[in-house]
Amino acid sequence: ETGVTQSPTHLIKTRGQQVTLRCSSQSGHNTVSWYQQALGQGPQFIFQYYREEENGRGNFPPRFSGLQFPNYSSELNVNALELDDSALYLCASSAATGEVEKLFFGSGTQLSVL
Amino acid sequence: SQQGEEDPQALSIQEGENATMNCSYKTSINNLQWYRQNSGRGLVHLILIRSNEREKHSGRLRVTLDTSKKSSSLLITASRAADTASYFCVLKAKGTYKYIFGTGTRLKVLA
Repeated sequence: ETGVTQSPTHLIKTRGQQVTLRCSSQSGHNTVSWYQQALGQGPQFIFQYYREEENGRGNFPPRFSGLQFPNYSSELNVNALELDDSALYLCASSAATGEVEKLFFGSGTQLSVL
Repeated sequence: SQQGEEDPQALSIQEGENATMNCSYKTSINNLQWYRQNSGRGLVHLILIRSNEREKHSGRLRVTLDTSKKSSSLLITASRAADTASYFCVLKAKGTYKYIFGTGTRLKVLA
């Protein structure tokens, strides 16, 4: 158990819709990053938030956006869903001090776009 | 793609044997980590090696890093059926906040 929780665990949407995924960080962690993992592939970095500001972004279009709240929980929003957005979405939190590079992952949200 | 490349893609061994998986990358790094993923769900941190380190041990795990060749290897000794999982190398690119995942090695340990 990492202490990172994601909701929902599964979600089915149709093309063109919008979706919001949620992540609660481990206690004491102020950094959250999000990843997209297509079936059979490694996770792809979407973006990272530190103290409510985005401080890093991967090669994802602007319809992928996020928020981090004062309690360091986070949301990933995806607009205008496409079939290729079907994937496992993972969030990870990391600590403010000590082993700051070590990522603690949630169990993910499986998104299916029909 | 900026992904690290791992080989082999899949590995099947008998319980008690050693498993070695390799990771090659193209960018300069601050550190390299290895993670394990069971059944396509959350990943679990195994070990971290910094760019100024060459080898690190943790229990049955041994990691090496060669920054001149931009490669790393993970050795799992005396494997167990419970080690069956996918293993990913993860790079922290120098000067960025990006984490770059490898393509993964699917390890199957047969009892």
